[in-house]
Amino acid sequence: ETGVTQTPRHLVMGMTNKKSLKCEQHLGHNAMYWYKQSAKKPLELMFVYNFKEQTENNSVPSRFSPECPNSSHLFLHLHTLQPEDSALYLCASSPETGQKAGELFFGEGSRLTVL
Amino acid sequence: AQTVTQSQPEMSVQEAETVTLSCTYDTSENNYYLFWYKQPPSRQMILVIRQEAYKQQNATENRFSVNFQKAAKSFSLKISDSQLGDTAMYFCAAYNNNDMRFGAGTRLTVKP
Repeated sequence: ETGVTQTPRHLVMGMTNKKSLKCEQHLGHNAMYWYKQSAKKPLELMFVYNFKEQTENNSVPSRFSPECPNSSHLFLHLHTLQPEDSALYLCASSPETGQKAGELFFGEGSRLTVL
Repeated sequence: AQTVTQSQPEMSVQEAETVTLSCTYDTSENNYYLFWYKQPPSRQMILVIRQEAYKQQNATENRFSVNFQKAAKSFSLKISDSQLGDTAMYFCAAYNNNDMRFGAGTRLTVKP
């Protein structure tokens, strides 16, 4: 248990559905991340938020829409996805300063299947 | 942004033996951190070991140690006395300024 919680753990959705992934951390970290993990590919950085401000959007299609209402919560809103978007979506948080600066604490991931 | 390359998709080792996983990276930054993460089957990604780029001394964490060659941009992980619980995907990563990039991973299997 790393202190980062993701819900739901599994999600199956049709291409016309709208759903959201949720991530929550109470570690006092300032930065939160969304990564996409597909088989046999490196983890793909999608979005980074630092103090609730988006600091990185790694050329992610607009059908993925992040939201960071506060430093403890991060959402990924999904709409009109494609089958190739099926993957494990990992949320992580990290402190910006201190001994663990830069270290990512990951959630267990949300396994998304797009039909 | 930095890039990370792991050239060994899969490796195996006998229990109690030593194995080394390779990693190279590329960055234009002087101040960065390097990490090895472990992802056991169907479980969370967890940190194995970290290295600050400004430190010359190689990091060690119990049975895990790194060989950090800054000039060569190489960052290998050595696992000594391998245990069955070490079976996992291992990811090398480079971090700078809220940007963490990962390699494709090495699947390590420890055989009894």
